[in-house]
Amino acid sequence: NAGVTQTPKFQVLKTGQSMTLQCAQDMNHEYMSWYRQDPGMGLRLIHYSVGAGITDQGEVPNGYNVSRSTTEDFPLRLLSAAPSQTSVYFCASSRLTEPLYGYTFGSGTRLTVV
Amino acid sequence: LAKTTQPISMDSYEGQEVNITCSHNNIATNDYITWYQQFPSQGPRFIIQGYKTKVTNEVASLFIPADRKSSTLSLPRVSLSDTAVYYCLVGDYGGATNKLIFGTGTLLAVQP
Repeated sequence: NAGVTQTPKFQVLKTGQSMTLQCAQDMNHEYMSWYRQDPGMGLRLIHYSVGAGITDQGEVPNGYNVSRSTTEDFPLRLLSAAPSQTSVYFCASSRLTEPLYGYTFGSGTRLTVV
Repeated sequence: LAKTTQPISMDSYEGQEVNITCSHNNIATNDYITWYQQFPSQGPRFIIQGYKTKVTNEVASLFIPADRKSSTLSLPRVSLSDTAVYYCLVGDYGGATNKLIFGTGTLLAVQP
C-alpha cells in the first residue's frame, strides 16, 4: 500500500499565482483533511472531508479551496498565492469512525510563496 | 475534542528518561488519550493510546491517573533520534467529530 501520497514535495510560487496540491490515498478512507504547519508551530486544520462530495472548513480555511469528487483524492487549491501561505502542508486520512490512533499522514508539501 | 495543554519545549540528554505531561481537564467519559510524534519534515505518526492507568508499548509508556484530567508520556532512555514534537490529543473518534485538532505540541530536544 502506498498510504497517503502528496505531490509535489516542494514548490515555489510567485505572489498571485495559483496551484493545486495533490493528495491521494489508496486505503479507501472516507475521511481526508489538509493541515498547514508554519515554522515552530503545530498543525492547523484547513479543510476536511467526510466523503466524496462533502467538504467543510477547518480552523484556517481562508485562501484555500477543496473538492472531493472521489474517495481517493482530495486536492487543495490556492487561487491566488500570498507570502502568508508559505508553509508545509500535510494531508491526512482515516476511516470515518477511526479512533484517534488511526490517522495516516502524507510526507508533506513544502510551499514557498515569494 | 477536549482541549489539551502541554509544555512548549523540553530538553534532555541521551540515556535519560523523559516525561511529558498533558492536561485535559474537560476529558469526557468516552474519550481516549492519544499521542502522536512528528519528526522534522515528516507527518505525525501514532505512538501510544490509553484510557486509564498505564499502557506500555515498545516505544513509550502512558500513565493516566484515576481522575484522567492529565496524562504523562514517558520515553525511557531517550536517544538523539527521539528529538521530535510530541502531540497529545483527547477524544474518541476524530473523524466522527469531523475535526482532528492538534495543539502546538511539545518539542523535545535530546542532546548528546
